[in-house]
Amino acid sequence: AQTVTQSQPEMSVQEAETVTLSCTYDTSESNYYLFWYKQPPSRQMILVIRQEAYKQQNATENRFSVNFQKAAKSFSLKISDSQLGDTAMYFCAFMKRTEDDMRFGAGTRLTVKP
Amino acid sequence: KAGVTQTPRYLIKTRGQQVTLSCSPISGHRSVSWYQQTPGQGLQFLFEYFSETQRNKGNFPGRFSGRQFSNSRSEMNVSTLELGDSALYLCASSLARGPYNEQFFGPGTRLTVL
Repeated sequence: AQTVTQSQPEMSVQEAETVTLSCTYDTSESNYYLFWYKQPPSRQMILVIRQEAYKQQNATENRFSVNFQKAAKSFSLKISDSQLGDTAMYFCAFMKRTEDDMRFGAGTRLTVKP
Repeated sequence: KAGVTQTPRYLIKTRGQQVTLSCSPISGHRSVSWYQQTPGQGLQFLFEYFSETQRNKGNFPGRFSGRQFSNSRSEMNVSTLELGDSALYLCASSLARGPYNEQFFGPGTRLTVL
């Protein structure tokens, strides 16, 4: 079974600074996808970034980037130039290439302070 | 383009009752997935529907069921409600099956069982 672990229940960062959220996962699969989702206080989940396991290059979306270490089964999210609107729960998720059930970590509550 | 809509947004039921939640996917999206979110268990996959057929099911008892209509709208039903069913139920839609199709989440239905 696939498990996703987020070891940081809460984090905070000053506005304009950089923060890294950690995620590790366990799987015997070789083809899979990893995701970071953001759930702001209004509760609507939004996809932040996605990484395909077979791609070596780390995904980047504007201020968001990942550090994907396949051998270590690690998938951390770096948020640069943090903004107040980045305050949210962040969930790391895993999905096998051949299935559609997404497995989520417990989440990290990120607070960006002015 | 309208996003994923879920109705009702809030629901209060008593133990033993049954409940039906509705999800309207983004126009053109054919895959609908349901998730349960609780403080204790986090986000858990319930089931996924595509072309009116359940394609995948999470580890939930048979009291949890769902269906999808020809217009891709989906409903989930929980019978004989228990206190532990209190949760935020999230629906997500995607164009097609597979992790390469981004899932767009609705705002959720907050179910409280008394």
